[in-house]
This record gives sequence, structure tokens and C-alpha cells, in this order.
Amino acid sequence: GQQLNQSPQSMFIQEGEDVSMNCTSSSIFNTWLWYKQDPGEGPVLLIALYKAGELTSNGRLTAQFGITRKDSFLNISASIPSDVGIYFCAGPTQSNDYKLSFGAGTTVTVRA
Amino acid sequence: SAVISQKPSRDICQRGTSLTIQCQVDSQVTMMFWYRQQPGQSLTLIATANQGSEATYESGFVIDKFPISRPNLTFSTLTVSNMSPEDSSIYLCSVDDGRLNEQFFGPGTRLTVL
Repeated sequence: GQQLNQSPQSMFIQEGEDVSMNCTSSSIFNTWLWYKQDPGEGPVLLIALYKAGELTSNGRLTAQFGITRKDSFLNISASIPSDVGIYFCAGPTQSNDYKLSFGAGTTVTVRA
Repeated sequence: SAVISQKPSRDICQRGTSLTIQCQVDSQVTMMFWYRQQPGQSLTLIATANQGSEATYESGFVIDKFPISRPNLTFSTLTVSNMSPEDSSIYLCSVDDGRLNEQFFGPGTRLTVL
């Protein structure tokens, strides 16, 4: 499968801060997906991106599909305590393949 | 998106035994997937389960250890056979409607093997 490099591995954020995380790949992606996993739960799809350069928002979340098609970032604006969790990027292993590869995840903890 | 449930939600098992995990979807779906998430790790695909055909396993996973059933378009099971402590993980099923590469996950089954 394709290698996804996700960074940072973890972050402590102050409530109200804007934060950003990103994912890079050595191969071109046609789709980028961002998931959030709360403790004891399965991952929940936050944002899906389908076109290079696409910028999509979901509430306080904004994600972009990089122009090179090898990267994507996720921003969280005005973070709140419920933003705590693990965020994963994911994408198809090959063009037109239904199987997903996942990044290692970014663990977000909100500093009180 | 589809609503997915899994049973059991968690279990503690003795080594050498087997556990069957069920995944139920509230709508008919073509593709279902089973993942393993080891403690503190990301998701690793075990196999793809399509109704009416044998499951397709990823490198490192074999049918004897992780037999899968897919009897209809809304249900699948994963069995973890002859368990050892290394099998302690969260096991997740997911579904894909086959159009947009988007997958939706069940809540997971947290397995501890003693």
C-alpha cells in the first residue's frame, strides 16, 4: 500500500487556538479523507476531498487537497475540549482502488 | 451514511480460544472491510468481504487465522482463531458504497487476550 506520513504525531493545544496537521504521500492520490476517532469509538469521517486544490469546510474544520496531489492538511479553528481525539488521514491505496491506507494519526489533547 | 453496529463491543478471552465478531449494517452495501487497530496504532486492513465471494486478505493475514463470512449484503463476521495475547486489539468493520472511496466505520470490538 501507499505510505502516508502524518504530522505532527501529537499536539497539545490551548482552547481557542487554531491548529493544523498534515499528511504527505510519495504517490499521487485521487481522494483524501480525514477521520476523527474518539476513545472507545470507531473513526468518523470528517471531510472528503476529491480534486487537487479543493478546499472544503465542515464547521470549524477546513481541509485542503494539495495541488501536487501528494499532500493534504486539516485545520481546526477555535479549538474546544471536544476536539480531543486522534485524527487520521486516509486515501485509496491505488488509483480507482477501494482499499484505504491510513496515516499514523495525530493525537490532539486540549490544554485546560 | 450507513449505521453500523458490532457485537460484542468488548471481550476478554483466554489464549487458544476463538472469538467471532459480528458486523451489522442498516442498509445493503457491496463492500465491507475488517481492520485491526493495535494499541496506540493506526488502522491496518485485514481483508475485504464481498457478498457471494471469498474474502480477499491483505499481506500478513490468512484465512485460517481470520475466517470471514459474508452471507448477505447487510452482515459479516470475523473470527479471530486460536488467540494469543498478540491478538489483543480493536477490530473494526467498515462499509463502502463503492462510489466515492468513503468508508464508514462501526464502533469497534475491543479484544483482550490473556
